[in-house]
This record gives sequence, structure tokens and C-alpha cells, in this order.
Amino acid sequence: ETGVTQTPRHLVMGMTNKKSLKCEQHLGHNAMYWYKQSAKKPLELMFVYSLEERVENNSVPSRFSPECPNSSHLFLHLHTLQPEDSALYLCASSPGQAERDTQYFGPGTRLTVL
Amino acid sequence: KNEVEQSPQNLTAQEGEFITINCSYSVGISALHWLQQHPGGGIVSLFMLSSGKKKHGRLIATINIQEKHSSLHITASHPRDSAVYICSGHSGGYQKVTFGIGTKLQVIP
Repeated sequence: ETGVTQTPRHLVMGMTNKKSLKCEQHLGHNAMYWYKQSAKKPLELMFVYSLEERVENNSVPSRFSPECPNSSHLFLHLHTLQPEDSALYLCASSPGQAERDTQYFGPGTRLTVL
Repeated sequence: KNEVEQSPQNLTAQEGEFITINCSYSVGISALHWLQQHPGGGIVSLFMLSSGKKKHGRLIATINIQEKHSSLHITASHPRDSAVYICSGHSGGYQKVTFGIGTKLQVIP
């Protein structure tokens, strides 16, 4: 049990659908992250939130919209996705943003866009 | 070319063997992490290194800042070590991070 949960674990959606991924941590951490992991590609950092403020957006298309209503919850809202967006989406949290802080990962949401 | 390169990309070992996974980076970093990803996706952080060597159980991680190289060693390997091992280089917090593509390890009984 990593202390970081993600729902749903699997999601299949059409290109015109709107869906949301949810991440929750009860570790008392101040930083939360969204990562994308595509087949045969390195992990990609999408968004970083620190104390509920977005501090990084790595040129992610606007069809991905993050939301961090409080320090324990993080959402990734999806709309008009493309088939190439099919991937494993991982959430993580850490005590702070310092690179020496250990990150704790959720189990991921396997997303398939048809 | 990725700024963080791992080798080998695939590795099969017999149970009990000593295993080495390598990570080389071409950018300046201030910290390097080793991660373990089991089938199904879950990722566990193994080590954070900024210099020298760390050991946890059968796992040993080393880093040579001058040579821009890190290694992860597994002693007395076991089938439960089968996973993908990923290294990541950080320069200035978690915002500036580059990941290797991972090394898929299979340990056969």
C-alpha cells in the first residue's frame, strides 16, 4: 500500500467523451504530480502542484486539464482526446518539491482512447 | 537521443546471479533516482543519490558524478526482483526531470 490511490484503474473512452482521473493521498504531502507513460517511451512529467498551486506545465496539450482542490486530491480532466493519448497515467506525491524528497506513486490509470 | 540512457534495455538472469543495470546521463544533474516498476504499473522509489553509494538489503546503488554514470546492483537475485528499473536525473527540483526508458529484468528460478 503506497498511500496514493488512483481511480479508475482502467478507462476506455471515445474521442468525443469527457472523463476525469482522480488521485488521492493521505500522506500529508505538499506536492503532487501527473505523469504519462506510453509504450516504449520514458516517463513524461505532465504537471506539478505544490501547496495546491500549479508550478509546472510541460507543454501539455490543453485537452488535458489538471485540478488540485486541496493538498490531498488531484484530478486530470480529459476531453476530446486522441488515440495517441492512450497510455498509463500515474499520479505521485512527495513531502515537498526538493529532488531529494522521495516520491510515492499511485498504481496508475490505464487509458485507452478509441 | 535521450539525455538519460539505460543499459541493457532487457536482461534475463538466473536466480542467485549478481545483476548490474547502468544509467548514463549527458546533462548536469544534482540528484539521481532509481525506481522499480512491477507488472501492472505500480512504481516504488528505491534510491536517491547525489554522490557515493547507498545500500538497502540486496540492492546497491552507486553514482560517479564526474563520469555522469550510475549503477544499480542486485545481489543474490530472486524472481521477485523481476520488474522494470528506471533511473531519472533531476536538476532543480522535481520540475526538471529526465527519465531513462527503463531496464526490464526477468529473474528465472
